[in-house]
Parts: sequence; structure tokens; C-alpha cells
Amino acid sequence: QVHLVQSGAEVKKPGASVKVSCKASGYTFTSYEINWVRQATGQGLEWMGWMNPNSGNTGYVQKFQGRVTINRDTSISTAYMELSSLRSEDTAVYYCARRDDSSAFDIWGQGTVVTVSS
Amino acid sequence: SYELTQPPSVSVSPGQTASITCSGDKLGDRYSYWYQQKSGQSPVLVIYQDNQRPSGIPERFSGSNSGNTATLTISGTQALDEADYYCQAWDSNTGVFGGGTKMTVL
Repeated sequence: QVHLVQSGAEVKKPGASVKVSCKASGYTFTSYEINWVRQATGQGLEWMGWMNPNSGNTGYVQKFQGRVTINRDTSISTAYMELSSLRSEDTAVYYCARRDDSSAFDIWGQGTVVTVSS
Repeated sequence: SYELTQPPSVSVSPGQTASITCSGDKLGDRYSYWYQQKSGQSPVLVIYQDNQRPSGIPERFSGSNSGNTATLTISGTQALDEADYYCQAWDSNTGVFGGGTKMTVL
């Protein structure tokens, strides 16, 4: 069974950073891109960026350039998304998703709730 | 930047056919994808590359994409199909989602 299991909920203060993990199982971690998508409460899906776990190459949507970093630890088949300089508008559920050979997000993590509040 | 536009909501009676549209400039020149998201759950892929169904997705889900519009069609809609639906496409290796359509079955 292919799974992506994410780390637990986080509460952060404005200006802090958060790092969310996404552990892959049931497939070869380095064979498929990991993407990150977020969803504010009651809002739609927002794509943030991607990472090639084999090369470590990444790409981010311009909105998050300079604030987001996606990396990985291949020894434990885990991807990470770190978002810095948090503000209240970053309060959302953050998902990791696998991009398959047809470029679809075929497997999603369960989501991680990040709350930014003073 | 590339944008995808969906109607905010659609309503359908059980057993009827629902159609959800997704509009974008020359969308038909690229592949479209559709995701179903039920309340409190992660999204699930229901259509990929315009009209392909992943294994485990019922045959009543189908898709098309031409010109500026991709369409998700759900035939013989059931109560369990009530959910938010999102279209998605790629623009120069950047993922783009539509705003989502809330489908109500009543």
C-alpha cells in the first residue's frame, strides 16, 4: 500500500517558522516528485511547490519564493516543507502529494494543520 | 499567471447527470485533472489526463477537455458524490488549481 504520512498539527507565533514532514512508504521514494499544496479554512487548494527526491531539485510558486523550502532525507523516505516568517494568513492545512507518471497527484498525505496565532 | 475558473456551486438530483466546468486560456492544449474532496478529508484523484479514470473510481465519472473548457461529468449521481471538486492543470511545471465547485446532491 502506497502512503504519505505527515507530521502532526502545529501552533506557531507570527514571525516563526514551521517544518512539516511527509514520510513515504510502499514505493521507491526517489522515483516520484513530491508536491506541497495548502488549503485555508473554507478555501480552495493552493499549490506551493515541488521537489524531485532523486536530485533534490525544487520549484516554488512565486508567491512563496524566499519563504518556503522543500527538501528531503532519502535515507528515511521523508520530504519536508519549511515555511518561514509566518503570518496569520498562513493558517491552513498543508498537504504533501505524489506526482505520478501522468503528472497527476495520485497519492495525498492526510494533511497537517498549521495555526499561526499570537 | 495561468488561471482556472470554476462555478462556485452546482446542484443535482440523485440519479441525474452533473457537469462541472473548468475554464482557462487554451486549456484544451494541456492536460486537465480533477480531484474530489469530501468534508474533512484529503483530495482524491478522480480524472487524470482529461478523461482517464484511476482504478477504483466508478465509471459514472468521466471527463473531457477541448478549447478553453474542461468538463467533469458525473452520471447517475449518488448522495455519496456530494463533495467539492477541483480542476487542475500544469503551467510550465507550476501547478494551478481552479477555485473549486461545491456539488450538492438534493
